Amino acid sequence: AQSVTQLGSHVSVSEGALVLLRCNYSSSVPPYLFWYVQYPNQGLQLLLKYTSAATLVKGINGFEAEFKKSETSFHLTKPSAHMSDAAEYFCAVSEPGNQFYFGTGTSLTVIP
Amino acid sequence: DADVTQTPRNRITKTGKRIMLECSQTKGHDRMYWYRQDPGLGLQLIYYSFDVKDINKGEISDGYSVSRQAQAKFSLSLESAIPNQTALYFCATGNGVNEQFFGPGTRLTVL
Repeated sequence: AQSVTQLGSHVSVSEGALVLLRCNYSSSVPPYLFWYVQYPNQGLQLLLKYTSAATLVKGINGFEAEFKKSETSFHLTKPSAHMSDAAEYFCAVSEPGNQFYFGTGTSLTVIP
Repeated sequence: DADVTQTPRNRITKTGKRIMLECSQTKGHDRMYWYRQDPGLGLQLIYYSFDVKDINKGEISDGYSVSRQAQAKFSLSLESAIPNQTALYFCATGNGVNEQFFGPGTRLTVL
């Protein structure tokens, strides 16, 4: 069985500060892992994905995530938050070829 | 043009009415999905289809039905809408390997 846990449903950071959004997963086989972003009144857009290549994955808009098998984690980071980063972020896990399982989401607020 | 389109984008209906949400894609993917999004619950899978002749129930299929009319079209129906089906509905496509592509969503309100 697969599942995703996102710690913190709401995260607030100051503009220019580090962004850290946490994601832990469970999977019986090596998973594929994803971060999606949802801006207000829009669909989900892929930020980045891990598919068993490099463990440090770089995505769009300066975001990156590191796959840590020993910790079953795939935390999302960005060194310096920008106002435009305010959005809902979803972590997802998939076993290759199978359906996705999404976390409950983390709403990021950026304080000017 | 968008790769995954959903119609309507917004819909208000009354309890007991039948409603259909439509999804079309131009990505050529075999796999299509319907999700429901509620605040604090993330995305929950309603139905998914791996090809035209393959339909599968997801986590929360009760009260919903689907039709895969063609590779590019996947419709979601609420036979008799109820207020707790008020939510944001997303269609997605996938190539079965490593990504899903989402439509813009349909905001459904059941009064």
